[in-house]
Amino acid sequence: AQKVTQAQTEISVVEKEDVTLDCVYETRDTTYYLFWYKQPPSGELVFLIRRNSFDEQNEISGRYSWNFQKSTSSFNFTITASQVVDSAVYFCALSENSNSGYALNFGKGTSLLVTP
Amino acid sequence: DTAVSQTPKYLVTQMGNDKSIKCEQNLGHDTMYWYKQDSKKFLKIMFSYNNKELIINETVPNRFSPKSPDKAHLNLHINSLELGDSAVYFCASSQGVLPGADTQYFGPGTRLTVL
Repeated sequence: AQKVTQAQTEISVVEKEDVTLDCVYETRDTTYYLFWYKQPPSGELVFLIRRNSFDEQNEISGRYSWNFQKSTSSFNFTITASQVVDSAVYFCALSENSNSGYALNFGKGTSLLVTP
Repeated sequence: DTAVSQTPKYLVTQMGNDKSIKCEQNLGHDTMYWYKQDSKKFLKIMFSYNNKELIINETVPNRFSPKSPDKAHLNLHINSLELGDSAVYFCASSQGVLPGADTQYFGPGTRLTVL
């Protein structure tokens, strides 16, 4: 069963629009960690944020912000005033405390295209 | 000073061949991983090593064999390559102090094409 669901396969926006990428996760653990990674067209995986299950504070980093809500098992990512350079595939991932192997469970990714 | 490096970046080979992909990290991390990204961009764990010991071995054909000569290196050897092995293979590393808690840093990926 998929533990991380990113329902939006592709999103296309015009530059300067705000865009929210959804992430819904599933776990029975009380301690877990959520991550977002960016994969630009060049192919590398760039770490964006890590959030643990005990910290529901929203986070803002420049034009990026994250909304973590345990009540809905969601960890959504918003880009404000999008730019062409934001075009990439974005992955949400879950790591569970019970998983002694430390592996990340990735969602299938959301491909974001920002056009001028 | 690349934190996690992989060689080669591209690998094109014939079916049935044996090939290796090398990974090195200079972050001083204890845990290293191999992930496979398929043509639909789905990322899935293959192996993880903590202090040179195998701790994850997902359902991967035994034609794939990881080897960790030391904490900084995790190589992936693939025997008898098949068409379905074509993918991008990512190496990653993390501190390995707290299970599941550590951020994983990824290498640039190796695009393997089997003809």
